[in-house]
Amino acid sequence: LAKTTQPISMDSYEGQEVNITCSHNNIATNDYITWYQQFPSQGPRFIIQGYKTKVTNEVASLFIPADRKSSTLSLPRVSLSDTAVYYCLVGFSGSARQLTFGSGTQLTVLP
Amino acid sequence: NAGVTQTPKFQVLKTGQSMTLQCAQDMNHEYMSWYRQDPGMGLRLIHYSVGAGITDQGEVPNGYNVSRSTTEDFPLRLLSAAPSQTSVYFCASSPTLGANVLTFGAGSRLTVL
Repeated sequence: LAKTTQPISMDSYEGQEVNITCSHNNIATNDYITWYQQFPSQGPRFIIQGYKTKVTNEVASLFIPADRKSSTLSLPRVSLSDTAVYYCLVGFSGSARQLTFGSGTQLTVLP
Repeated sequence: NAGVTQTPKFQVLKTGQSMTLQCAQDMNHEYMSWYRQDPGMGLRLIHYSVGAGITDQGEVPNGYNVSRSTTEDFPLRLLSAAPSQTSVYFCASSPTLGANVLTFGAGSRLTVL
């Protein structure tokens, strides 16, 4: 299983850049890395996906080193509305049974 | 587009009762799955399906049954509810097994007394 490890919680202030790192030492060659955001009482929502190096979209950047054993989600200039749980998900190259989420990182943005 | 629709949103059961959580998607996705989420924990995979007529067990399948008679629907059945099944249940789908981008429903909160 491509088990993932993330910090349980992080605090930040509005306007700061936030970096959340996910460790996935057992990542397989064909695995992609995907990050999701979840607000209370809602289902998780896709943020960004990558395989290697750097990916950027309108809401976040994803940095993946050459060994792919970790990844970092970067949220630029966070606002209060970015307070949520963030999940790193690795997998899909093998059995779908491996598509499991970790406990996620609770990000709290303070005014 | 409705996306992934789950019903009911809330349900209270007594121990031993049975019920079905419904999940429907209108995106023609091949892959569908059920997760449960307990306080302080991430999402745990219960069952999944890679297409009509094909289902398999996930991480925590005990006490749950599924079937996939159509591409659109993937119901989750609790045959004899137990208090340990009190949780929030999420259905998710993606275009194919290899497409790692899941679309989630809004969730169904189940309480078993």
